[in-house]
Amino acid sequence: GAGVSQTPSNKVTEKGKYVELRCDPISGHTALYWYRQSLGQGPEFLIYFQGTGAADDSGLPNDRFFAVRPEGSVSTLKIQRTERGDSAVYLCASSPSGRNTIYFGEGSWLTVV
Amino acid sequence: DAKTTQPPSMDCAEGRAANLPCNHSTISGNEYVYWYRQIHSQGPQYIIHGLKNNETNEMASLIITEDRKSSTLILPHATLRDTAVYYCIVSPYNTDKLIFGTGTRLQVFP
Repeated sequence: GAGVSQTPSNKVTEKGKYVELRCDPISGHTALYWYRQSLGQGPEFLIYFQGTGAADDSGLPNDRFFAVRPEGSVSTLKIQRTERGDSAVYLCASSPSGRNTIYFGEGSWLTVV
Repeated sequence: DAKTTQPPSMDCAEGRAANLPCNHSTISGNEYVYWYRQIHSQGPQYIIHGLKNNETNEMASLIITEDRKSSTLILPHATLRDTAVYYCIVSPYNTDKLIFGTGTRLQVFP
């Protein structure tokens, strides 16, 4: 498929564990975004990459959250010492050159028990 | 980014036009109006955007008032598959993020 791919689609983890969520953007898209969505809320911005660098990480809630995009394509969102409040859908999106017509993946549903 | 105000929910009969309003009274001159929608259990999907003029594409039409303080997204012939949450967002064209509100939940009924 040519869309944004996210894995895993569902992840259940125990409180305190470490989690990695992967995003494979649309080929050729230089901009990549991570959002988080809780039930009944709109997507909440976490971080934005332009190429390999994080151009804006102002939405990361605390230092337990970290994201990388080492080769300017695939990105990984990393969550340390997970808490029950981290339970949400984590959405990845990409766009050409940072334009606002961005394309979202289906999301990774994280449940912390 | 300018704030937007949308009704929390709306209903529309299948085959009729769905008109979704959005107020953005503090919009700046360089800010565009974007519409996205999110069907249940899917990621948001881009619909349309505009600056001043009305816009139309294969999915919808966007009507922006002359003072740009409000806009309306029009789905000309709503189908059951248009049932979704619709988000109105105002933002400069090339910005590093879109800020989503809680949107309007549109329910299309038979």
